[in-house]
Amino acid sequence: DTGVSQNPRHKITKRGQNVTFRCDPISEHNRLYWYRQTLGQGPEFLTYFQNEAQLEKSRLLSDRFSAERPKGSFSTLEIQRTEQGDSAMYLCASSLAGNSNYGYTFGSGTRLTVV
Amino acid sequence: SQQGEEDPQALSIQEGENATMNCSYKTSINNLQWYRQNSGRGLVHLILIRSNEREKHSGRLRVTLDTSKKSSSLLITASRAADTASYFCATDVYGQNFVFGPGTRLSVLP
Repeated sequence: DTGVSQNPRHKITKRGQNVTFRCDPISEHNRLYWYRQTLGQGPEFLTYFQNEAQLEKSRLLSDRFSAERPKGSFSTLEIQRTEQGDSAMYLCASSLAGNSNYGYTFGSGTRLTVV
Repeated sequence: SQQGEEDPQALSIQEGENATMNCSYKTSINNLQWYRQNSGRGLVHLILIRSNEREKHSGRLRVTLDTSKKSSSLLITASRAADTASYFCATDVYGQNFVFGPGTRLSVLP
């Protein structure tokens, strides 16, 4: 297992288009998180899953955002009708629930640019 | 305002010097963690300190936690150019997810 994988690494899209990102977590990790990070800021929590259940969503996650983890393995984050304000780095992380001894393992992120 | 905030926002030091970054938070926590992020990359977990611990070491890293002051510090000794990165503290608030501060941008000059 090579860690958390995110695809694509970069995405440039026109305003109004839909985009979808994928995250493949560490296989034995049952929790998966999505964060958004803008330049010069820390990551902001968006949502997380335990197995296939989406347990929490941030107020930052507008109706245009939807995340799925259909089989409790990989996850997708879709943004509909993208806006310029959606431009950011989207980070995925995974962890093992109940194991508070370790932090999250992050992927390298998907950088979205909306033009 | 954020749960965790790092101080200073930016720090420049010479190679070989020590770098100290601080983190303050507002509510009771289960644990506190420090992460490093190189430009344009994901975050790398450095060290976790539990609420009942006061100090923890890992290589050239030393983390302290003062729950009475709701603060933590990260010390990097004998810094190297490769330590140039942003450093974030993240607080694990009971029953919630990790909340990250805005980070300290460290520049280690050769």
